[in-house]
Amino acid sequence: GAVVSQHPSRVICKSGTSVKIECRSLDFQATTMFWYRQFPKQSLMLMATSNEGSKATYEQGVEKDKFLINHASLTLSTLTVTSAHPEDSSFYICSASGGGSSYNEQFFGPGTRLTVL
Amino acid sequence: DAKTTQPPSMDCAEGRAANLPCNHSTISGNEYVYWYRQIHSQGPQYIIHGLKNNETNEMASLIITEDRKSSTLILPHATLRDTAVYYCIVRVRFSGSARQLTFGSGTQLTVLP
Repeated sequence: GAVVSQHPSRVICKSGTSVKIECRSLDFQATTMFWYRQFPKQSLMLMATSNEGSKATYEQGVEKDKFLINHASLTLSTLTVTSAHPEDSSFYICSASGGGSSYNEQFFGPGTRLTVL
Repeated sequence: DAKTTQPPSMDCAEGRAANLPCNHSTISGNEYVYWYRQIHSQGPQYIIHGLKNNETNEMASLIITEDRKSSTLILPHATLRDTAVYYCIVRVRFSGSARQLTFGSGTQLTVLP
């Protein structure tokens, strides 16, 4: 299957700082990337959908000015958590779609563990 | 996308078959059944999908009832590395704009030595 990477795999930062998470499709061009968030012992919750070259679509309750998403190329999307606070500590997972299949299957990255002190 | 119902947890002895059920009584005719699993602190991993026929791949088998209102994922010889949360997802599969996956609570499968 197609490979999606995320960097960093884990990050610890101080409250008030900004953190950037990268999501890359390594062997295919991703026209759409999804960003999910997962709190401990909970399921994945979709945060936003980004299509290459256009603005991201955010789910209800997700602050677009706090979670900045950029999808400037067909292989890279970034999520920037601005002015992070302890309640933003979570597991952030991206998925990418558009690998040439007409059915647009999704392939997931390994996730990024964010801890805000 | 149709809603799914799964048991919250199941245990299975190592080497035995693990049968994970999923109810999707409101499934539409153009919706497929997908299974993913998530090992602790990792991203979800695709397992298998099907429409109405039974499917098998190197990881698992998917049995879908004739009325398509339920399905069972079978791991034929479970190992300790199969311990994970298993998600059953029903979604439309079509060419065009990609759609997000809606994850429910899933089933925590614990394979016991």
